[in-house]
Amino acid sequence: RKEVEQDPGPFNVPEGATVAFNCTYSNSASQSFFWYRQDCRKEPKLLMSVYSSGNEDGRFTAQLNRASQYISLLIRDSKLSDSATYLCVVNRSNFGNEKLTFGTGTRLTIIP
Amino acid sequence: NAGVTQTPKFQVLKTGQSMTLQCAQDMNHEYMSWYRQDPGMGLRLIHYSVGAGITDQGEVPNGYNVSRSTTEDFPLRLLSAAPSQTSVYFCASSYSPDVYSYEQYFGPGTRLTVT
Repeated sequence: RKEVEQDPGPFNVPEGATVAFNCTYSNSASQSFFWYRQDCRKEPKLLMSVYSSGNEDGRFTAQLNRASQYISLLIRDSKLSDSATYLCVVNRSNFGNEKLTFGTGTRLTIIP
Repeated sequence: NAGVTQTPKFQVLKTGQSMTLQCAQDMNHEYMSWYRQDPGMGLRLIHYSVGAGITDQGEVPNGYNVSRSTTEDFPLRLLSAAPSQTSVYFCASSYSPDVYSYEQYFGPGTRLTVT
């Protein structure tokens, strides 16, 4: 079983719709969680960290369920500019970045 | 700030050749890392450094060497290129006072093809 698993998609969603992605992780000792966004042929960039209580940043909401070991990302009122690959990232380390594990990504295309 | 810079952007090597991928950051970050990204696989950590003079292996270190003589620079050396090393290579740096707020800043990547 992969440490971090994501549905690869692609998700093709009409503009203005709401879309949700899930990500599961296998190591219960994982400490922190993130969503990164990667545009085609570009570098990944941090979208948001995921906190235990859930957090929101504009149209984006991230949730963490430690008991079931999954993370979710919800995008409301999707825009054409949201088209990208979304990477789920899990950190197993207590103090460093050396134990970051990246999911393979979920590809999202917003259709006009 | 230029952020994280990588050179070259593209490179074609023949099997057995060696080369160095350059990475530099101007944000005074302690942590620097090298990843490779292959289709159908997540980014995989090759080597990382927690500060000048300190490096360690990641998940897929074989065939690669690194050094960290300054805070700013973290070059990745391919010792004897193999077709299996065809990939996109990303350098990243980060600074964080605690584990919950890490943000990794990635360079634009180097696309390497080994024939």
